[in-house]
Amino acid sequence: GEDVEQSLFLSVREGDSSVINCTYTDSSSTYLYWYKQEPGAGLQLLTYIFSNMDMKQDQRLTVLLNKKDKHLSLRIADTQTGDSAIYFCAEAYSGAGSYQLTFGKGTKLSVIP
Amino acid sequence: EPEVTQTPSHQVTQMGQEVILRCVPISNHLYFYWYRQILGQKVEFLVSFYNNEISEKSEIFDDQFSVERPDGSNFTLKIRSTKLEDSAMYFCASSRTSGGAVYNEQFFGPGTRLTVL
Repeated sequence: GEDVEQSLFLSVREGDSSVINCTYTDSSSTYLYWYKQEPGAGLQLLTYIFSNMDMKQDQRLTVLLNKKDKHLSLRIADTQTGDSAIYFCAEAYSGAGSYQLTFGKGTKLSVIP
Repeated sequence: EPEVTQTPSHQVTQMGQEVILRCVPISNHLYFYWYRQILGQKVEFLVSFYNNEISEKSEIFDDQFSVERPDGSNFTLKIRSTKLEDSAMYFCASSRTSGGAVYNEQFFGPGTRLTVL
């Protein structure tokens, strides 16, 4: 079945770039997502990429997709203390009309001032 | 900005009791989902719902679970007879549709933490 793996922790200094990595197994994934979860809050959709793209940029966020290696990354430029959160990678395939998301365990990003 | 809301934020129940978790999806969204996250584990898909019927469900979504859209704004998840292993964070999500096709973006609520004692 589908599986999504992420490293559990990442620590960076404020102002540096953060790179959060993810691998997935389902080659039929249609979309790949990054969600952010702050303490006590829900899952906030940050960005997503369609599987036939290899890069997407949105302000400080850059998503890179290597479909051959089934590797997805999220780069956060100029990381701020407000970026401290858990970041979830997820993949989706379109089943019987809906998109089921398969999530990784999440990477906890700690930003050191 | 419109958002998905969920109530209650925390529900404590005794094993064997029925619970109903409530969600108000974003108002013009017609595709709804429930996911759960057991502490320390991954967020898992439970069920998707469209046009007053279940679209897809996972193996977790057994006969103890049911979903309903009782009115034009609420979407509920009922667990008939709770077990200890049902303790988890339950997330509701919704998506837009157009011409019967669902958009891929899912917007999540803040979750309901269910504790079964």
